[in-house]
Amino acid sequence: SQQGEEDPQALSIQEGENATMNCSYKTSINNLQWYRQNSGRGLVHLILIRSNEREKHSGRLRVTLDTSKKSSSLLITASRAADTASYFCATTSGSARQLTFGSGTQLTVLP
Amino acid sequence: ETGVTQTPRHLVMGMTNKKSLKCEQHLGHNAMYWYKQSAKKPLELMFVYSLEERVENNSVPSRFSPECPNSSHLFLHLHTLQPEDSALYLCASSQGPANSGANVLTFGAGSRLTVL
Repeated sequence: SQQGEEDPQALSIQEGENATMNCSYKTSINNLQWYRQNSGRGLVHLILIRSNEREKHSGRLRVTLDTSKKSSSLLITASRAADTASYFCATTSGSARQLTFGSGTQLTVLP
Repeated sequence: ETGVTQTPRHLVMGMTNKKSLKCEQHLGHNAMYWYKQSAKKPLELMFVYSLEERVENNSVPSRFSPECPNSSHLFLHLHTLQPEDSALYLCASSQGPANSGANVLTFGAGSRLTVL
């Protein structure tokens, strides 16, 4: 069953702008991960944030987690055309140890 | 190249055919997964193998049959598929056992399946 839901479904920005994607989930989680998928390819892991963490950084990526609102956001700063891809959040929760993915946000960065 | 290799990359088959998808990982990981990705839908977990033992099977139709002969190889045998089975089939692996709850997945590039 689906746990995470990304918002917006699609986002189009100019190169150099920041991109923010959100993920909401329904039940308490153990951790939350963000993945990226280029068209027709496999998913690539970006970052993992644990339920007791509030913010994590990796290069131009910044992930926040608000467990009280059951939501997470992924911020990509100074976007590039190469950032064009679909971005998915995935969660593990309780006894359900397997990752459950959302439907993804399609990000298009225009040169 | 992520270290997880899937073949074939593209497959077209009729509903009466029997074919197999292959996945190989060179990462020394202990768990392997099959996911199905259909357009506009979340990824669906199909099968999980941890240390070569199947630990999860999410009510997948019997026309899909997994096989994990060793920790580096995973197959998905296909027979009498339906057109709605057309999708991107993704293989993934993780270092820890499948029940660790904090696994980071490494995905292959996928096998695009079209059922006519």
